Amino acid sequence: QVQLVESGGGLVKPGGSLRLSCAASGFTFSDYYMSWIRQAPGKGLEWVSYISSSGSTIYYADSVKGRFTISRDNAKNSLYLQMNSLRAEDTAVYYCARGSVMASSYFDYWGQGTLVTVSS
Amino acid sequence: SYELTQPPSVSVSPGQTARITCSADALPKQYAYWYQQKPGQAPVLVIYKDSERPSGIPERFSASSSGTTVTLTISGVQAEDEADYYCQSADSSGTYVVFGGGTKLTVL
Repeated sequence: QVQLVESGGGLVKPGGSLRLSCAASGFTFSDYYMSWIRQAPGKGLEWVSYISSSGSTIYYADSVKGRFTISRDNAKNSLYLQMNSLRAEDTAVYYCARGSVMASSYFDYWGQGTLVTVSS
Repeated sequence: SYELTQPPSVSVSPGQTARITCSADALPKQYAYWYQQKPGQAPVLVIYKDSERPSGIPERFSASSSGTTVTLTISGVQAEDEADYYCQSADSSGTYVVFGGGTKLTVL
């Protein structure tokens, strides 16, 4: 069965960096677009970034552009999110989610999320 | 920036029909998707490509679209349907993913 397991969250000071990972299993990882989506405490869902199956197409939400970098290692079935210059407003649960084969479109499988807290 | 507009809350009694709307200019050109999220859990896809239901999702979940508004309908609402519901789509270019603000469904 499809599994997505995030890791790497934690407490970090404003201006700091953190790298999130998502380990995928149960499907052919290299066939699918993948995304990061976040949810601030008590708030709604916010799309962060997506990456195409080969890694050649990448897009970011304006709120993270220039600070976050998405990447993937298809040989390791893993998705990553490098987060730099973190701000208090980046505090959220970060979900890894599977897109479709052709595009980011919709997200049919989600991980359980990893909490990132940005605070001094 | 592009936005999807949902009502903050909807309340229904058990057995009744709940309707949750989602509005945006690009919805006639882009598919809409719906997710259910219960407290402390990850979202679950309940509708894709405007009105398709993934396997395992009960038939009481359906959706329709009309112009710039899409509607999630839950027929015969059950207590277990109490959750937050989010619509999702893309901007007119199809490049950027957008979520609605979410609707809290309360089963009275």
